[in-house]
Formats: sequence, C-alpha cells, structure tokens
Amino acid sequence: EIVLTQSPGTLSLSPGERATLSCRASQSVNSNYLAWYQQKPGQAPRLLIYGASSRATSIADRFSGSGSGTDFTLTISRLEPEDFAVYYCQEHGSSARNTFGQGTKLEI
Amino acid sequence: EMQLVESGGGLVTPGGSLRLSCAASGFPFSTYTMNWVRQPPGKGLEWVSSIGPSNTDIFHADSVKGRFTISRDDAKSSLYLQMNSLRAEDTAVYYCARQGGAGQFDYWGQGTLVTVSS
Repeated sequence: EIVLTQSPGTLSLSPGERATLSCRASQSVNSNYLAWYQQKPGQAPRLLIYGASSRATSIADRFSGSGSGTDFTLTISRLEPEDFAVYYCQEHGSSARNTFGQGTKLEI
Repeated sequence: EMQLVESGGGLVTPGGSLRLSCAASGFPFSTYTMNWVRQPPGKGLEWVSSIGPSNTDIFHADSVKGRFTISRDDAKSSLYLQMNSLRAEDTAVYYCARQGGAGQFDYWGQGTLVTVSS
C-alpha cells in the first residue's frame, strides 16, 4: 500500500510570495494518476491538478504541478489571499485504491 | 450545472446502521465511476469506496470492508452507501465524488455529517 507524505505540515507565507508544497510517495507512482486538491474551512475539496501537471477546469495558471516517480510538487507562483487553505495530494493506484496525503496547511 | 447532493447523515449509536444517498445531476451519471470519501472532524481525507459504471468494479477501503456497501441506481442518478456496525471512528463528513479518467475526483458534493456516539 502506497503512503503519501506531504511536507511541510504547515507553510507560513505572505501574499505575493511563491509556495512550494511537496508530496512524496513510499513507492513509485504512475504520474498519470497523481492529483492535488485545495480545501477551505467548511467547504468540500476542489480539484486543482490531475495527471501530476494538468490544471483542472477554471484553475488559475499560478497553480502548477510537477514531478514523477516518488516526488511531486505543487507550486503557487504568486500567492493571492484566497489561496490560504489546506492542500492534499492523492494517488489513484492499482485495484482502484485511492490514497490521500495528510495535507499541508498554507497560512498567512 | 453539475451537482452532487448528499443526504442521510445524522447521529447513530455504536453498532447501528445508516444509509447515505447522493443525488447527481447535470452529467451522464451512468458513465462515471463514483466514490465516497470521508473526513473526520479536524482531520484529513480518507477514500472509502468506489463503484464503476453498471455496478462493476466495486472497491472498499480496508477500514470499512465487510461493514460498508456502496451501490448505485443509474435510473435515478443516485449513489448510496449502506453503513453497518458503525464505530466511533466512522464519525466524519462523508462526501460523494465523481472520478475522472485519470483517477482524479473532479466534482464533489457538499458532504453529510455522520456522528457515531452513545
């Protein structure tokens, strides 16, 4: 069973800065099946990135994803006030199992 | 407009049962794999169950296997989760989510809260 470990647990930055969030898998992941989500308090998660690097519909181009194998990164190029939230990575594995990372809280 | 609307959550005693429903609209429900994902209060996301088109390819997380059953009614564009032998650790917001071709959860409902407590 794959374990996804996100780092850091909490990231403190200011609007306008660049954010780099990491997701590391315990074994190699098919990058076609790696996604990132944003969740704000009291809301359902929202898909940001799928296939490791493809932006979902209506997602701003300041969000980008990269990586392969066991190391994946979500980058937010210039933080906007509405970007402060919790971010999760997710892997869709064999036998349709799905695994989430524990999340990174991005705070001001 | 695409919508997923969950219902059926509530307070149940340990060992009890509950059936969650998710009503879908705005997309061809029968052609998509659908999922339940849960989130305990203040914690992260946990995938629970998935079901493919035409009730094929049913999978459950180990934590709920043998206790929870996912099903769907394509004529009603509805997804269900029958939860039996509920435990305190099943307390969570349960989300219905559509799965895209790359395994991503591209649309989510607003969630329904299940509380297991005596």
